[in-house]
Amino acid sequence: DIQMTQSPSSLSASVGDRVSITCRASQSISSYLNWYQQKPGKAPKLLIYVVSSLQSGVPSRFSGSGFGTDFTLTISSLQPEDFATYYCQQTYSTPSFGQGTKLEIK
Amino acid sequence: EVQLLESGGGLVQPGGSLRLSCAASGFTFSNYAMNWVRQAPGKGLEWVSTISGSAGITYYADSVKGRFTISRDNSKNTFYLQMNSLRAEDTAVYYCAKDRGITGKKYYFDYWGQGTLVSVSS
Repeated sequence: DIQMTQSPSSLSASVGDRVSITCRASQSISSYLNWYQQKPGKAPKLLIYVVSSLQSGVPSRFSGSGFGTDFTLTISSLQPEDFATYYCQQTYSTPSFGQGTKLEIK
Repeated sequence: EVQLLESGGGLVQPGGSLRLSCAASGFTFSNYAMNWVRQAPGKGLEWVSTISGSAGITYYADSVKGRFTISRDNSKNTFYLQMNSLRAEDTAVYYCAKDRGITGKKYYFDYWGQGTLVSVSS
């Protein structure tokens, strides 16, 4: 099984900040890496698929990069609605998620 | 509009069984794989199981293999998770999620249901 490790596990930032979350796979997953956003009490929402493709309706301040084992989700200018938990997911083999990164307001 | 509606959650004793359902609408159901993902209280997301569009291929997490069975009825636009030999550690919100592909690999989960809570306790 492929293990996904996110860092950091939590992050405090302010509105307007640029933040990045990293995700590392235990083996190469090519470009089969997706990102989800989850707010408390809600279902996860797809943000980015196949490393860098934005799901319809997702603001352009979200971007993704990487290949192989190392990936990054970047939010260019944090907005109040972006404070949430973010998960990476690989689908190169049977799916697995990272442990999540909780983005909190500083 | 794609909609996924889970049902069947509830309180069950350890060793008991429960069947979850997910009714889908707004897309051609048989053209897509479907997934179950769970989230224990205060924890992260855990993929549970996937079934291909034709129901010919199924995958399970090691944690549920041999105890859970995924199935689908394309005539009813519904898929299921039969959960047997339930344990306390199966307590979680269970989400159904639509796959972007038909086989269940190499794509992503583009729509999610609202979740149904399964509690395993005596």
